[in-house]
Amino acid sequence: EIVMTQTPLSLSVTPGQPASISCKSSQSLLHVDRKTYLYWYLQKAGQPPQLLIFEVSNRFAGVPDRFSGSGSGTDFTLKISRVEAGDVGVYYCMQSVQLPPYTFGQGTRLEIK
Amino acid sequence: EVQLVESGGGLVQPGGSLRLSCAGSGFSFSTYWMSWVRQAPGKGLEWVANIKQDGNEKYYVDSVKGRFTISRDNVQNSLYLQMNSLRADDTAIYYCARETGGPDYWGQGTLVTVSS
Repeated sequence: EIVMTQTPLSLSVTPGQPASISCKSSQSLLHVDRKTYLYWYLQKAGQPPQLLIFEVSNRFAGVPDRFSGSGSGTDFTLKISRVEAGDVGVYYCMQSVQLPPYTFGQGTRLEIK
Repeated sequence: EVQLVESGGGLVQPGGSLRLSCAGSGFSFSTYWMSWVRQAPGKGLEWVANIKQDGNEKYYVDSVKGRFTISRDNVQNSLYLQMNSLRADDTAIYYCARETGGPDYWGQGTLVTVSS
């Protein structure tokens, strides 16, 4: 099973300032099809998770360009260029290169200062 | 608009059974892998199972193998999760999700509580 490790586990950011979350996997997430199956989700309070980024760096439909993903192999980063109040919630990374199971990181809670 | 609506959750005693359903609309259901993902109260996300478009490939997390069965009906555009021998640690919100490499669209979830 691939273990996903996120840091930090909590983050407090002033509106307008940047934020960054790291996600490391215990094995490479590069598939033989040359895609890297690393996803980022945001779960706001009382809601289901919503997809932000797929395959490391591709923004999902409707996701603002303040959100960006980068990385390769086993090291990945989600960046928010300018945090807004609506960005509050728990951020999860997830791998789907190896099945079963898909595995999630522990989650990073973002709050506004 | 893609919509996924789960149903079938509720309170069940340890050792009991429950069948969850997920109705999909707004997309070509039969052309996507589908998943179940759960979230215990106050905890993180745990992938449970998924199923290929034609239903001929199914995968499960170890903790539910032999107890849960995922299935689908592409005529009814529905996904199912039959849960048997339920335990207290199966208590969670169960989400169904469409997959495109990984889960993209998610339902609102249905709560399963296993307690005597």
